[in-house]
Amino acid sequence: EVQVVESGGDLVQPGGSLRLSCAASGFTFSSYEVNWVRQAPGKGLEWISYISSSGFTIYYADSVKGRFTISRDNAKNSLYLQMNSLRDEDTAVYYCARVGVWDLSWYIDLWGRGTLVTVSS
Amino acid sequence: DIQMTQSPSSLSASVGDRVTITCRASQSISSYLNWYQQKPGKAPNLLIYAASRLQSGVPSRFSGSGSGTDFTLTISTLQPEDFATYYCQQSYSTPYTFGQGTKLEIK
Repeated sequence: EVQVVESGGDLVQPGGSLRLSCAASGFTFSSYEVNWVRQAPGKGLEWISYISSSGFTIYYADSVKGRFTISRDNAKNSLYLQMNSLRDEDTAVYYCARVGVWDLSWYIDLWGRGTLVTVSS
Repeated sequence: DIQMTQSPSSLSASVGDRVTITCRASQSISSYLNWYQQKPGKAPNLLIYAASRLQSGVPSRFSGSGSGTDFTLTISTLQPEDFATYYCQQSYSTPYTFGQGTKLEIK
Protein backbone atom coordinates (compact mmCIF):
# COMPACT_ATOMS: atom_id res chain seq x y z
CA GLU A 1 0.00 0.00 0.00
CA VAL A 2 1.22 3.46 -0.90
CA GLN A 3 1.33 5.48 2.32
CA VAL A 4 3.19 7.85 4.58
CA VAL A 5 2.92 7.51 8.34
CA GLU A 6 3.92 10.22 10.77
CA SER A 7 5.13 9.66 14.31
CA GLY A 8 6.79 11.50 17.16
CA GLY A 9 4.05 13.89 18.19
CA ASP A 10 3.83 14.52 21.93
CA LEU A 11 3.14 17.04 24.68
CA VAL A 12 6.14 19.31 25.12
CA GLN A 13 6.80 22.43 27.18
CA PRO A 14 7.38 25.82 25.58
CA GLY A 15 11.01 26.15 24.59
CA GLY A 16 11.38 22.41 24.24
CA SER A 17 12.30 20.24 21.26
CA LEU A 18 10.72 17.40 19.36
CA ARG A 19 11.59 15.33 16.31
CA LEU A 20 8.87 14.14 13.98
CA SER A 21 9.35 11.26 11.58
CA CYS A 22 7.51 10.19 8.47
CA ALA A 23 7.90 6.65 7.15
CA ALA A 24 7.10 6.11 3.49
CA SER A 25 6.16 2.80 1.93
CA GLY A 26 4.74 1.42 -1.30
CA PHE A 27 6.57 3.85 -3.59
CA THR A 28 10.09 4.97 -4.44
CA PHE A 29 10.53 7.60 -1.74
CA SER A 30 13.84 8.87 -3.13
CA SER A 31 12.07 10.04 -6.31
CA TYR A 32 9.63 12.34 -4.54
CA GLU A 33 9.69 15.81 -3.08
CA VAL A 34 7.95 16.12 0.27
CA ASN A 35 6.40 18.80 2.46
CA TRP A 36 5.36 19.24 6.06
CA VAL A 37 1.96 20.89 6.49
CA ARG A 38 0.36 21.61 9.84
CA GLN A 39 -3.11 22.41 11.14
CA ALA A 40 -3.75 24.05 14.48
CA PRO A 41 -6.87 22.85 16.32
CA GLY A 42 -9.97 24.16 14.57
CA LYS A 43 -7.88 26.15 12.08
CA GLY A 44 -6.85 25.91 8.45
CA LEU A 45 -3.88 24.32 6.74
CA GLU A 46 -0.44 25.92 6.94
CA TRP A 47 2.47 24.88 4.71
CA ILE A 48 5.67 24.93 6.77
CA SER A 49 8.49 23.20 4.89
CA TYR A 50 9.56 21.55 1.62
CA ILE A 51 12.46 19.30 0.71
CA SER A 52 13.49 18.14 -2.74
CA SER A 53 13.97 14.48 -3.61
CA SER A 54 17.74 14.74 -3.17
CA GLY A 55 17.50 16.86 -0.05
CA PHE A 56 19.54 19.64 -1.61
CA THR A 57 16.70 22.17 -1.91
CA ILE A 58 14.83 23.18 1.23
CA TYR A 59 12.30 25.89 2.00
CA TYR A 60 10.61 27.04 5.21
CA ALA A 61 7.73 29.25 6.18
CA ASP A 62 8.79 32.34 8.10
CA SER A 63 6.85 31.09 11.13
CA VAL A 64 9.31 28.20 11.62
CA LYS A 65 12.49 29.40 9.92
CA GLY A 66 15.48 29.17 12.23
CA ARG A 67 13.65 26.86 14.65
CA PHE A 68 12.64 23.85 12.54
CA THR A 69 14.86 21.70 10.31
CA ILE A 70 13.58 19.37 7.62
CA SER A 71 15.69 16.43 6.50
CA ARG A 72 15.36 13.06 4.82
CA ASP A 73 17.11 9.71 4.69
CA ASN A 74 16.31 8.10 1.36
CA ALA A 75 18.02 4.88 2.38
CA LYS A 76 15.51 4.59 5.23
CA ASN A 77 12.53 5.94 3.24
CA SER A 78 12.08 8.53 5.93
CA LEU A 79 11.41 12.24 6.33
CA TYR A 80 12.11 14.18 9.52
CA LEU A 81 11.23 17.48 11.14
CA GLN A 82 13.43 18.64 14.00
CA MET A 83 11.49 21.21 16.00
CA ASN A 84 13.35 23.44 18.47
CA SER A 85 12.33 26.42 20.60
CA LEU A 86 8.73 25.30 20.46
CA ARG A 87 5.99 27.84 21.13
CA ASP A 88 2.34 27.55 22.10
CA GLU A 89 1.38 28.49 18.55
CA ASP A 90 3.21 25.43 17.19
CA THR A 91 0.45 23.26 18.65
CA ALA A 92 -1.02 21.45 15.65
CA VAL A 93 -1.44 18.24 13.74
CA TYR A 94 1.61 17.84 11.52
CA TYR A 95 1.14 16.14 8.15
CA CYS A 96 3.75 14.57 5.94
CA ALA A 97 2.72 15.34 2.37
CA ARG A 98 4.12 13.83 -0.83
CA VAL A 99 4.41 15.96 -3.95
CA GLY A 100 3.03 15.01 -7.32
CA VAL A 101 4.13 16.83 -10.45
CA TRP A 102 2.39 17.65 -13.70
CA ASP A 103 4.18 19.77 -16.27
CA LEU A 104 5.73 22.56 -14.16
CA SER A 105 3.01 22.39 -11.54
CA TRP A 106 3.08 20.48 -8.27
CA TYR A 107 0.47 19.42 -5.78
CA ILE A 108 0.12 17.20 -2.72
CA ASP A 109 -1.17 13.82 -3.85
CA LEU A 110 -0.54 11.78 -0.71
CA TRP A 111 -1.08 12.80 2.92
CA GLY A 112 -0.39 10.94 6.12
CA ARG A 113 -2.89 10.81 8.97
CA GLY A 114 -0.87 13.35 10.91
CA THR A 115 0.77 13.44 14.32
CA LEU A 116 -0.33 15.80 17.09
CA VAL A 117 2.15 18.14 18.70
CA THR A 118 0.95 19.97 21.81
CA VAL A 119 3.07 22.73 23.28
CA SER A 120 1.93 23.60 26.77
CA SER A 121 3.26 24.04 30.27
CA ASP B 1 4.12 36.37 0.19
CA ILE B 2 1.12 35.46 -1.93
CA GLN B 3 -2.15 35.68 -0.02
CA MET B 4 -4.94 33.30 -0.96
CA THR B 5 -8.47 34.42 -0.14
CA GLN B 6 -11.42 32.08 -0.43
CA SER B 7 -15.06 33.07 -0.56
CA PRO B 8 -17.35 32.40 1.00
CA SER B 9 -15.84 31.21 4.30
CA SER B 10 -18.92 29.08 4.87
CA LEU B 11 -21.78 27.97 2.72
CA SER B 12 -25.05 26.15 3.33
CA ALA B 13 -26.43 24.10 0.49
CA SER B 14 -28.72 21.16 -0.21
CA VAL B 15 -28.10 17.81 -1.84
CA GLY B 16 -28.46 18.26 -5.58
CA ASP B 17 -27.41 21.93 -5.57
CA ARG B 18 -24.69 23.39 -7.77
CA VAL B 19 -22.02 25.08 -5.66
CA THR B 20 -19.15 27.38 -6.57
CA ILE B 21 -16.24 28.35 -4.30
CA THR B 22 -13.89 31.14 -5.27
CA CYS B 23 -10.18 31.54 -4.54
CA ARG B 24 -8.33 34.76 -5.27
CA ALA B 25 -4.55 35.18 -5.23
CA SER B 26 -2.92 38.47 -4.25
CA GLN B 27 -0.77 38.29 -7.40
CA SER B 28 -0.76 36.21 -10.55
CA ILE B 29 0.02 32.53 -10.01
CA SER B 30 -0.64 31.39 -13.57
CA SER B 31 -2.39 28.00 -13.17
CA TYR B 32 -0.42 26.84 -10.13
CA LEU B 33 -3.52 26.31 -8.03
CA ASN B 34 -4.73 23.17 -6.27
CA TRP B 35 -7.96 22.30 -4.46
CA TYR B 36 -8.30 19.94 -1.50
CA GLN B 37 -11.24 18.55 0.43
CA GLN B 38 -10.98 17.82 4.13
CA LYS B 39 -13.49 16.02 6.31
CA PRO B 40 -13.46 16.29 10.12
CA GLY B 41 -10.64 14.33 11.73
CA LYS B 42 -9.19 13.32 8.38
CA ALA B 43 -6.26 14.39 6.24
CA PRO B 44 -6.97 16.57 3.20
CA ASN B 45 -7.60 14.91 -0.14
CA LEU B 46 -6.55 16.31 -3.53
CA LEU B 47 -9.43 17.16 -5.88
CA ILE B 48 -8.03 19.43 -8.57
CA TYR B 49 -4.46 20.32 -9.56
CA ALA B 50 -3.06 22.87 -11.98
CA ALA B 51 -6.32 24.81 -11.66
CA SER B 52 -8.45 22.52 -13.78
CA ARG B 53 -7.08 19.00 -13.86
CA LEU B 54 -9.17 16.40 -12.05
CA GLN B 55 -7.20 14.08 -9.79
CA SER B 56 -7.59 10.41 -10.61
CA GLY B 57 -10.46 8.83 -8.72
CA VAL B 58 -12.23 12.11 -7.98
CA PRO B 59 -15.85 12.24 -9.21
CA SER B 60 -16.46 14.26 -12.35
CA ARG B 61 -18.99 16.49 -10.57
CA PHE B 62 -15.94 18.38 -9.28
CA SER B 63 -14.36 20.85 -11.67
CA GLY B 64 -11.92 23.74 -11.46
CA SER B 65 -11.27 26.77 -13.60
CA GLY B 66 -9.33 30.00 -13.69
CA SER B 67 -5.87 31.36 -14.17
CA GLY B 68 -3.89 34.37 -13.04
CA THR B 69 -5.51 35.53 -9.82
CA ASP B 70 -9.08 34.20 -9.91
CA PHE B 71 -10.07 30.57 -9.58
CA THR B 72 -13.23 28.59 -8.95
CA LEU B 73 -14.11 25.14 -7.70
CA THR B 74 -17.52 23.93 -8.81
CA ILE B 75 -19.49 20.96 -7.57
CA SER B 76 -22.17 20.36 -10.17
CA THR B 77 -24.61 18.25 -8.13
CA LEU B 78 -23.94 18.09 -4.41
CA GLN B 79 -23.86 14.66 -2.85
CA PRO B 80 -24.12 13.92 0.90
CA GLU B 81 -20.43 12.99 1.05
CA ASP B 82 -19.39 16.41 -0.31
CA PHE B 83 -20.13 18.26 2.90
CA ALA B 84 -16.64 19.13 4.06
CA THR B 85 -14.12 21.97 4.14
CA TYR B 86 -12.38 22.96 0.92
CA TYR B 87 -8.97 24.61 0.61
CA CYS B 88 -7.14 26.15 -2.30
CA GLN B 89 -3.33 26.24 -2.35
CA GLN B 90 -0.88 28.01 -4.61
CA SER B 91 2.24 26.16 -5.75
CA TYR B 92 3.68 29.12 -7.65
CA SER B 93 6.16 30.41 -5.10
CA THR B 94 7.28 29.83 -1.54
CA PRO B 95 5.68 30.08 0.96
CA TYR B 96 3.12 27.79 -0.63
CA THR B 97 0.10 29.34 0.98
CA PHE B 98 -3.37 27.88 1.47
CA GLY B 99 -6.64 29.74 1.50
CA GLN B 100 -8.44 29.97 4.83
CA GLY B 101 -10.94 27.30 3.85
CA THR B 102 -14.60 27.14 2.88
CA LYS B 103 -16.86 25.05 5.08
CA LEU B 104 -19.71 23.52 3.12
CA GLU B 105 -22.62 22.61 5.36
CA ILE B 106 -25.97 20.96 4.83
CA LYS B 107 -28.92 23.35 4.63
